[in-house]
Amino acid sequence: GDSVTQMEGPVTLSEEAFLTINCTYTATGYPSLFWYVQYPGEGLQLLLKATKADDKGSNKGFEATYRKETTSFHLEKGSVQVSDSAVYFCALRGYGGSQGNLIFGKGTKLSVKP
Amino acid sequence: DVKVTQSSRYLVKRTGEKVFLECVQDMDHENMFWYRQDPGLGLRLIYFSYDVKMKEKGDIPEGYSVSREKKERFSLILESASTNQTSMYLCASTGGGQVIREQYFGPGTRLTVT
Repeated sequence: GDSVTQMEGPVTLSEEAFLTINCTYTATGYPSLFWYVQYPGEGLQLLLKATKADDKGSNKGFEATYRKETTSFHLEKGSVQVSDSAVYFCALRGYGGSQGNLIFGKGTKLSVKP
Repeated sequence: DVKVTQSSRYLVKRTGEKVFLECVQDMDHENMFWYRQDPGLGLRLIYFSYDVKMKEKGDIPEGYSVSREKKERFSLILESASTNQTSMYLCASTGGGQVIREQYFGPGTRLTVT
């Protein structure tokens, strides 16, 4: 079945460092891909998404490109801030179906130190 | 401003108790979901509902049931709580149809079963 694999955490960076969180997927057809973020004590919120190959999602300085040839959707940010400390989840929605079901990776905890 | 609310942020129950977790959304969404979130396991889908009175099992439905009597409300029921159901429970909702829409999450209920 469909699955998502993302890099294990935790990841600790200094402020202004470059961030990459790897995400790869296994799916039939053409899934849509998402990154969600969970700040401490809160629920998840959508960070960015891409619905077809070569699409680039971007938001709040974060970017991810849908790479069908490598089945990847890596999250990047050029200069992280302390406020980016959170848990990041990669997710996919399989092609077809109208229920909006998502399959999530296990999450990567990011800590940014001043 | 879209909103998914959950009845409690923190809940402590005893083994064997019947537990109700309530979720309400104000976006007129067709689809609603219950997940549990555990460290190292990410989010796992318990049940979802794509219409009033309709429900589908997710990946880990054992020990849980759900109720959706009104479109805006989706309840998760633990018939006889056990310690292995101690977890963070997240509710989410999304609109129906084939358009790729994000899931909106509530803040979560941290349930402890003693």
